[in-house]
Amino acid sequence: TQLLEQSPQFLSIQEGENLTVYCNSSSVFSSLQWYRQEPGEGPVLLVTVVTGGEVKKLKRLTFQFGDARKDSSLHITAAQPGDTGLYLCAGAKGNNRLAFGKGNQVVVIP
Amino acid sequence: DTGVSQNPRHKITKRGQNVTFRCDPISEHNRLYWYRQTLGQGPEFLTYFQNEAQLEKSRLLSDRFSAERPKGSFSTLEIQRTEQGDSAMYLCASSSTQGGEKLFFGSGTQLSVL
Repeated sequence: TQLLEQSPQFLSIQEGENLTVYCNSSSVFSSLQWYRQEPGEGPVLLVTVVTGGEVKKLKRLTFQFGDARKDSSLHITAAQPGDTGLYLCAGAKGNNRLAFGKGNQVVVIP
Repeated sequence: DTGVSQNPRHKITKRGQNVTFRCDPISEHNRLYWYRQTLGQGPEFLTYFQNEAQLEKSRLLSDRFSAERPKGSFSTLEIQRTEQGDSAMYLCASSSTQGGEKLFFGSGTQLSVL
């Protein structure tokens, strides 16, 4: 059973469009992180959200943590080809191990 | 370079052989993690060190797998008698106590068992 479910698994959009991907769980997390991974490389941390309802912005990326700290969303405004990648969410329960979802594969077509 | 370094980047081996991977974490990080990632999946936790102490091991880590961090700096992950199911990307990450659970990953070692 996957602790974190990410949807959609795959998303292809045109450059300039907006997109939202989701990370859902039935578990409560002390914090949730989003990473981006490119083929053949390790994940790179984008953001950590800690407080329920928290919203963080990173340029054109907006991350929201659900009020109950069980889910999160990532919204990309005016997507660019450089946004192409596998977006992974990871939940922390304070036990020094992160649980990752399977990821949202995003492809932005020029 | 102050990032996490993993060697080798790629390893092809025959079934039944032993392989060893190395990870050099960010120098000031006292925590080191090993994860495994297969195609279409997110990283799965294998084991965790704080300094030289191995504090946690996943049930995924069978008795053919062993990890060490002898001086609290670099770490090695050895797989004995490799099986085709061991084929995966093996990722190392490090973090500091002050940084909480923010992990910095290396580029991984891609293992192919033929």
